[in-house]
Amino acid sequence: NAGVTQTPKFQVLKTGQSMTLQCAQDMNHEYMSWYRQDPGMGLRLIHYSVGAGITDQGEVPNGYNVSRSTTEDFPLRLLSAAPSQTSVYFCASSYTGTPNTEAFFGQGTRLTVV
Amino acid sequence: GQQVMQIPQYQHVQEGEDFTTYCNSSTTLSNIQWYKQRPGGHPVFLIQLVKSGEVKKQKRLTFQFGEAKKNSSLHITATQTTDVGTYFCAGANAGNMLTFGGGTRLMVKP
Repeated sequence: NAGVTQTPKFQVLKTGQSMTLQCAQDMNHEYMSWYRQDPGMGLRLIHYSVGAGITDQGEVPNGYNVSRSTTEDFPLRLLSAAPSQTSVYFCASSYTGTPNTEAFFGQGTRLTVV
Repeated sequence: GQQVMQIPQYQHVQEGEDFTTYCNSSTTLSNIQWYKQRPGGHPVFLIQLVKSGEVKKQKRLTFQFGEAKKNSSLHITATQTTDVGTYFCAGANAGNMLTFGGGTRLMVKP
């Protein structure tokens, strides 16, 4: 009964490095999304997917790429890390192909870019 | 784009006092959802409101959706220390984006 699993939990990157944050869900959910959480700014949507093979940009997509080759996985790629990308990243999934049902969140990845 | 504003940003209450957080959207929403995030944790779904003027209760929590479907509130009666955390509203519109408010951090003094 894993739900939404994010790896890693913590990561420190140097400016300019690239990396992939992993997100997997075992609930057969259609809708998946990535948010970043910064102090006092709530959760901001980076990218989302309404189903396998379909992705779209959210509010703050610059500097990030996503892909959705399977229903289960939705990795987030940082192309060239910048200090402004220091944040806590949450992956979430919902049952339908829209965000109009309960979102299940992963435990988060705390990323620091130095 | 759609904006969701939430006030207050912080609230300190004495245990037993009531608490209310308010959420306002710049656009009409198809539904609004509320989440709670404990310190160091991840957001956890509380409830979804869909109908204009809808009111739902969960024990000491009362959720309201405005008649114009652009605002919402969460009221907690007689707060307890277990209510500590940040409460977020999140609005969905006709598109496929769920937009979160900035959250209200509730602190309860025992």
